[in-house]
Amino acid sequence: AQSVTQPDIHITVSEGASLELRCNYSYGATPYLFWYVQSPGQGLQLLLKYFSGDTLVQGIKGFEAEFKRSQSSFNLRKPSVHWSDAAEYFCAVAPMNRDDKIIFGKGTRLHILP
Amino acid sequence: GAGVSQSPRYKVAKRGQDVALRCDPISGHVSLFWYQQALGQGPEFLTYFQNEAQLDKSGLPSDRFFAERPEGSVSTLKIQRTQQEDSAVYLCASSFFSESSYNSPLHFGNGTRLTVT
Repeated sequence: AQSVTQPDIHITVSEGASLELRCNYSYGATPYLFWYVQSPGQGLQLLLKYFSGDTLVQGIKGFEAEFKRSQSSFNLRKPSVHWSDAAEYFCAVAPMNRDDKIIFGKGTRLHILP
Repeated sequence: GAGVSQSPRYKVAKRGQDVALRCDPISGHVSLFWYQQALGQGPEFLTYFQNEAQLDKSGLPSDRFFAERPEGSVSTLKIQRTQQEDSAVYLCASSFFSESSYNSPLHFGNGTRLTVT
């Protein structure tokens, strides 16, 4: 069965430091891959998505993610975090052409130190 | 409206009460989804509509949960005889196109936080 693993429940980084949030998936074929962000009391907002092509995907708010098929990973990165990036981040996977089957990871809560 | 709207924002119910949660998707969006997000967890799929048709309800945890979208726009998630384990945030999401999310990502509402006492 398909699954998404986010191994870090909490991550703390200093403002201005670089960030990498890990995501591994288990799926029979190359799925669609997503990263969503959720601020407290808010719904989820799409940061970026990978469907095919260039394995380095650029998203909003200065985020990027790299799809590595050999490692079944889709890690999220940002070169310099801002205090406003503090939120919960969810990696998600869906089979091709079936966005009704999106599966979310358990999330990584990002804390930013001033 | 500009986004997906959910009401009420918060709901406290006594165990055994029935509740109804409302979702107003973005106008014109074909697909509508309900998710349940327990504390400290990611959203888990409950059910999916394409227009008024409920195409998948495999995620509904029990027959106490019922969802409808009679006119293909507003949707209601109803929970009968609520239990404490139903306490969670219920998220609604919509998207424009049903076959692929490539150009139509999910747009989420802010959710309804249900607390069953």
